Parts: sequence; C-alpha cells; structure tokens
Amino acid sequence: DTAVSQTPKYLVTQMGNDKSIKCEQNLGHDTMYWYKQDSKKFLKIMFSYNNKELIINETVPNRFSPKSPDKAHLNLHINSLELGDSAVYFCASSQDREPGGSPLHFGNGTRLTVT
Amino acid sequence: ILNVEQSPQSLHVQEGDSTNFTCSFPSSNFYALHWYRWETAKSPEALFVMTLNGDEKKKGRISATLNTKEGYSYLYIKGSQPEDSATYLCAGFRGAQKLVFGQGTRLTINP
Repeated sequence: DTAVSQTPKYLVTQMGNDKSIKCEQNLGHDTMYWYKQDSKKFLKIMFSYNNKELIINETVPNRFSPKSPDKAHLNLHINSLELGDSAVYFCASSQDREPGGSPLHFGNGTRLTVT
Repeated sequence: ILNVEQSPQSLHVQEGDSTNFTCSFPSSNFYALHWYRWETAKSPEALFVMTLNGDEKKKGRISATLNTKEGYSYLYIKGSQPEDSATYLCAGFRGAQKLVFGQGTRLTINP
C-alpha cells in the first residue's frame, strides 16, 4: 500500500493551460506539504496544511493554489501554466504540525513539463 | 534565513570502503536536523531525525552524528555496498514550520 500517492506521475501540457496534481496520504498524518524541486535540484517548500488549515504559503505565484478537502488530501492547482513551471513537484506528509521531531514521508513526485 | 549546505556535492567510493559526508547549518535557534536517502526514480526516504547536541543515530551500516553548537552533522556509511548509491539529503528545521533542504550529496559506489 502506497503511503503518499500523487497523480499523475507525468504531466505534459501547453503554456496557458490549467492543471491539477492530486495527493493522498493514508498514514493518518495531520500535516501535508507541497515541495518543488528547482533547477538546481533543491527541494523548496511551497505550501503546508495542517488539518485542512494553510500554515505555510511561500512566495510562489498566485497561479498556484493548494486545496485540502480533508486532512488526507492536498491537491495543487496551477493556472495559466508557464514554461518556468516545468519541474518535479513532491507531495509529503508528517505526523506533527511542525517537522521538527517527525520525518516527512514523500510521494513519488510529478514531473510537469510545460511546452 | 536558514541555509543548509552539504559537502561534497558528489562522491565516488569503492565497494567495501567506508565514507562520510557533511551537512552544515546555522547553529543559532536550531531545532532539528533530518537526513533522507533519495534513490533515482524514487522518493526521498527518511533515515534519521536528530534534535539533541551530541546525538548519534544508527540504522544498519549507516550512522549520523549531530553537533548543534558548531552547526554540523556527519553521515557515515560503513562498508559501502552498491545499493547505497543514492543522493543523501539533509534538512534543517528552525521553526516557522519550514524544513529547509540542502542540495544533497550524490554517492556512487563502484563495484
């Protein structure tokens, strides 16, 4: 059973389109995250939610909007896609509200390619 | 701003040899340090979460130490095996809910 699953695994789309990436965790964790792997391979935090409440909203374009219908799901919707949005996006979850004492569990990533 | 730096960026080690690499972080207001192992085409997998100065954790042939006063952590791999080939990430947590990742050390074990 996959603990943190994200779909799709690959997403190829044209500039200007709107797309969503879905994430679900079955670990019973309270906190979920979206990370972006940038061009230098760093994992950069985008958003985090704790029990459906937004607790981190990093400086990302407002074309990116997370949605958490319940604490097991955190979806990422991207409007008006741009070439620079091409990257690998990772969903993660952790037990605690703050990732101090508990590790993150990652999904397998979604490789987004904008043409 | 929490900057987490890892060195070296890449490392080639002969099978059977032991190796280690470093994660550096600002020592002020330190809360926790994470180590993750990231194999190609897979997702990062947690190895250790460390919070106390002088802490040492071990999982099989892999161990890690933490020095919060001087701001560094070492990851050691004893008797490297080909399956140890991966990128090893460290991440620092200093509050405000943000875990900040280093760039990783890419380890390749040569058979």
